[in-house]
Amino acid sequence: DAGVTQSPTHLIKTRGQQVTLRCSPKSGHDTVSWYQQALGQGPQFIFQYYEEEERQRGNFPDRFSGHQFPNYSSELNVNALLLGDSALYLCASSLVTSGQETQYFGPGTRLLVL
Amino acid sequence: SQQGEEDPQALSIQEGENATMNCSYKTSINNLQWYRQNSGRGLVHLILIRSNEREKHSGRLRVTLDTSKKSSSLLITASRAADTASYFCATDARTDKLIFGTGTRLQVFP
Repeated sequence: DAGVTQSPTHLIKTRGQQVTLRCSPKSGHDTVSWYQQALGQGPQFIFQYYEEEERQRGNFPDRFSGHQFPNYSSELNVNALLLGDSALYLCASSLVTSGQETQYFGPGTRLLVL
Repeated sequence: SQQGEEDPQALSIQEGENATMNCSYKTSINNLQWYRQNSGRGLVHLILIRSNEREKHSGRLRVTLDTSKKSSSLLITASRAADTASYFCATDARTDKLIFGTGTRLQVFP
């Protein structure tokens, strides 16, 4: 049973560029959440997708957008990259009918913006 | 913004000793969870305690929750070098999203 997978593992971009990160949820899970973790900090909630719709959003600008596909996989897009967007981006999946209590995290994508 | 704080920020102990870390949070919750993170990689779920529970055990882990003080503690007994990691508490703030604390970095020396 595959857990949550994310790609790519590492990414280096330049300021102003755009990036797309990908996530495949744990088998049987229908909800995907994205988090940003700056160095030395705890993860911060970006948004959550269920049934291909954004259900909740954290305090992140519109440069951060996402998508969920019919197979429940998800993408995180960040436009007009800033140096401060450098972070570990974590995807977590859960099952809505279980109350989404436990979220299972992927290994993350480390983004460096130069 | 972070929901709360973990204390201490960093902890160094010898193998075999117990490690205790504390978490405080700000808002009402349905449950509180503890996660472990090795070397800036993905988070591993350790244990979940519901707001109507006061104590929970899982192997060498013991978690307590005091909703009146909005605080929780994680005790790792008989620590091992493999327990070296960052530990985070996360609350749901009665929503579907997790709000993490700032983490405790635990170093266990052989």
